Amino acid sequence: NAGVTQTPKFRVLKTGQSMTLLCAQDMNHEYMYWYRQDPGMGLRLIHYSVGEGTTAKGEVPDGYNVSRLKKQNFLLGLESAAPSQTSVYFCASSFGSGSKDEQYFGPGTRLTVT
Amino acid sequence: GEDVEQSLFLSVREGDSSVINCTYTDSSSTYLYWYKQEPGAGLQLLTYIFSNMDMKQDQRLTVLLNKKDKHLSLRIADTQTGDSAIYFCAERSAYSSASKIIFGSGTRLSIRP
Repeated sequence: NAGVTQTPKFRVLKTGQSMTLLCAQDMNHEYMYWYRQDPGMGLRLIHYSVGEGTTAKGEVPDGYNVSRLKKQNFLLGLESAAPSQTSVYFCASSFGSGSKDEQYFGPGTRLTVT
Repeated sequence: GEDVEQSLFLSVREGDSSVINCTYTDSSSTYLYWYKQEPGAGLQLLTYIFSNMDMKQDQRLTVLLNKKDKHLSLRIADTQTGDSAIYFCAERSAYSSASKIIFGSGTRLSIRP
């Protein structure tokens, strides 16, 4: 049981390049989330999904797209990377959306855009 | 809008108690959480408290909630080097889904020998 895994762990992009971050969970969770973490700030929700085939915008969705084609995978795409997207990206998943439904986090992807 | 605030740093001596404080603005908050982030890792839920509780204790951890002042604290007794981490306070209102968890900026706890 690996929990939540993210690939890659690190990436450097040039402005305008594109990339996809992959999140996978093996806990059969319905809900999955993408957050970004910036220095001195809490986690901010980019997009989330409440089940296979669904996606929804979070707090800071601009410049990102997501897909949830399979229940266990949640992909975050950057079509044209900008320096403002330099951040640490965390994926999380949870069984449901109840208050006690703990979000399980992946180890993070550190992205630098030059 | 909703906001959660924490001080950015705390330094304590090994063996002492650590108290990490948090304030929040959403008066409808009913669930409040403490997450721990160790270096290079994701966040891990430490504990949570429901708003009709004043206190919750779990081994070395004590959570105190003052709903009137919208103040939450996490006390770690007998602080150890393994407690070095960033601690995030988070809140969620009763009528929002898990997608509406608001995180504070995190308090970095460092331990002095």
